[in-house]
Amino acid sequence: DTGVSQNPRHKITKRGQNVTFRCDPISEHNRLYWYRQTLGQGPEFLTYFQNEAQLEKSRLLSDRFSAERPKGSFSTLEIQRTEQGDSAMYLCASSLVAGGPDTQYFGPGTRLTVL
Amino acid sequence: EDKVVQSPLSLVVHEGDTVTLNCSYEVTNFRSLLWYKQEKKAPTFLFMLTSSGIEKKSGRLSSILDKKELSSILNITATQTGDSAIYLCAVSVNTGTASKLTFGTGTRLQVTL
Repeated sequence: DTGVSQNPRHKITKRGQNVTFRCDPISEHNRLYWYRQTLGQGPEFLTYFQNEAQLEKSRLLSDRFSAERPKGSFSTLEIQRTEQGDSAMYLCASSLVAGGPDTQYFGPGTRLTVL
Repeated sequence: EDKVVQSPLSLVVHEGDTVTLNCSYEVTNFRSLLWYKQEKKAPTFLFMLTSSGIEKKSGRLSSILDKKELSSILNITATQTGDSAIYLCAVSVNTGTASKLTFGTGTRLQVTL
């Protein structure tokens, strides 16, 4: 079990460019979550998948953001036309839902800097 | 709107001291409360609490939930410099399709020699 992995770990981009992040969850975990964390704040929920289905999106997730989990395994988060306000740590978490409360395990995050 | 508040915001203690971190919440459809430790990267899971009054313990760390008071505490005894981190409290809320986490802003703990 290698834990949740995320790539890249750091991304610097210019305003207006598109970026894509990848998350590989713990194998056999059926739920995958995306969060965003800015300096001095706790992570904020963005969206989540149960297998390949995206079941909820936060109002924080503007039209420029899209997430996919095509085969129910890894997930990608794309931000189009990046803005400086998108600069943050993007965290992915996964969990196994088996009837009771699930524990979310986090990856190392992708730190995005938009210049 | 769901809300999680942690106190204090930051704390500096000497190695060997005991600390208590607080978390209070106002949420609908409470499912569980979780504590995470965050150093320079990802939050690392510490405890999940679902039942009031039952203490969870792991080494020098322990935590307890009070559903009546809508709060939880995290205790760390005999602190070490390696305990320096941000401690995040999160509440899992059941939205019908999800159990998303709502986090507090964290307590930054610094343990000095």
